[in-house]
Amino acid sequence: GESVGLHLPTLSVQEGDNSIINCAYSNSASDYFIWYKQESGKGPQFIIDIRSNMDKRQGQRVTVLLNKTVKHLSLQIAATQPGDSAVYFCAEIPQGLPPNSGGSNYKLTFGKGTLLTVNP
Amino acid sequence: ETGVTQSPTHLIKTRGQQVTLRCSSQSGHNTVSWYQQALGQGPQFIFQYYREEENGRGNFPPRFSGLQFPNYSSELNVNALELDDSALYLCASSPGLAGGQSAQYFGPGTRLLVL
Repeated sequence: GESVGLHLPTLSVQEGDNSIINCAYSNSASDYFIWYKQESGKGPQFIIDIRSNMDKRQGQRVTVLLNKTVKHLSLQIAATQPGDSAVYFCAEIPQGLPPNSGGSNYKLTFGKGTLLTVNP
Repeated sequence: ETGVTQSPTHLIKTRGQQVTLRCSSQSGHNTVSWYQQALGQGPQFIFQYYREEENGRGNFPPRFSGLQFPNYSSELNVNALELDDSALYLCASSPGLAGGQSAQYFGPGTRLLVL
């Protein structure tokens, strides 16, 4: 079935370095993507999103890049801090139909996640 | 603005029992989705509610059911609990923009342990 997967299950970086977390998606109909951060014992926290009509989007210390040609998504974190240590998930939503039209057009499909560890 | 809240935070049940989990959506959000997250895995979509009606369902058996109330809060009910139902249950709310996708914002989850 359709799935979203991550290239690297773990990533260890030094404090102050930049981090890059990668994600491959297989559903070519997906046109909206979200990165979430999940700390131990907590729910996923929204970081940044991007729609398929964009290649790049920047937030505070984070940048998401989307390459639709190879169905690849990445999250770049600048000047990584110990507080950035968490599991990062990419999630996708396929093109949707109006609500209550049936089907799961608004469901998020998650990968397994990448564990980011920031060493002081 | 109040975020998504869930109750209880933790719950222990035995096989065969029934459980009800509750979720209050973020202010201004009319859509609630429920996810199950097993240890070490990404969340799996259970179902979504929009304007008090089910708006899509994942690959979960009928013993997983839900409700949405006029104030957009929601319940997840699981009957005949099985050991494999042990997981973190997450609720997410979103604005539910008609014809378009929107980000979903998660609550802290309810940790369910079935013995």
